[in-house]
Amino acid sequence: EDKVVQSPLSLVVHEGDTVTLNCSYEVTNFRSLLWYKQEKKAPTFLFMLTSSGIEKKSGRLSSILDKKELFSILNITATQTGDSAVYLCAVTRETSGSRLTFGEGTQLTVNP
Amino acid sequence: DAGVIQSPRHEVTEMGQEVTLRCKPISGHNSLFWYRQTMMRGLELLIYFNNNVPIDDSGMPEDRFSAKMPNASFSTLKIQPSEPRDSAVYFCASSFRQVQETQYFGPGTRLLVL
Repeated sequence: EDKVVQSPLSLVVHEGDTVTLNCSYEVTNFRSLLWYKQEKKAPTFLFMLTSSGIEKKSGRLSSILDKKELFSILNITATQTGDSAVYLCAVTRETSGSRLTFGEGTQLTVNP
Repeated sequence: DAGVIQSPRHEVTEMGQEVTLRCKPISGHNSLFWYRQTMMRGLELLIYFNNNVPIDDSGMPEDRFSAKMPNASFSTLKIQPSEPRDSAVYFCASSFRQVQETQYFGPGTRLLVL
């Protein structure tokens, strides 16, 4: 059974801090790893990673995948209160590309 | 451009009643997904469709759950009879088949079964 473990489960920081969220996985025939942000509503897509070592970046957010060590990190620099959310990591398999297996998520709270 | 539309947004019902959740995917998307989110189990895929055809329903918890997609712009998830343990937020998501991992989620239906 596919397994996705995120850490920490929750994190409280001050505005301006930099945070690193972790996602480790065990999946047969790995295809991709995805990051989603969930505020008090639906998850919204952030990144999809398929290749090791290639950083994906969007504004203050960046992510990288290590397929050898089976993990990914999501970095947020200069955090803002609007970054407060649950960050979800998900993986897919080659044999069932559409089935996203999600981790528990990391609850990030950014205080002013 | 409208996103994924779900209705109702909230539903409170009594155990044993039938519940029907509705979803309209983003126009042009040809894959549709139903998820359930609870505190205990997180976000779980229930079923997904490609071009209106169910592809993987292995996440459907039991026979009380059924899903249909009669056309490209509409899908339903039905629970009959409902039980208190079905209480959860149910999300519908859609994507282009070519990039199915990039899924766009609807606002969800919060279901409470008393």
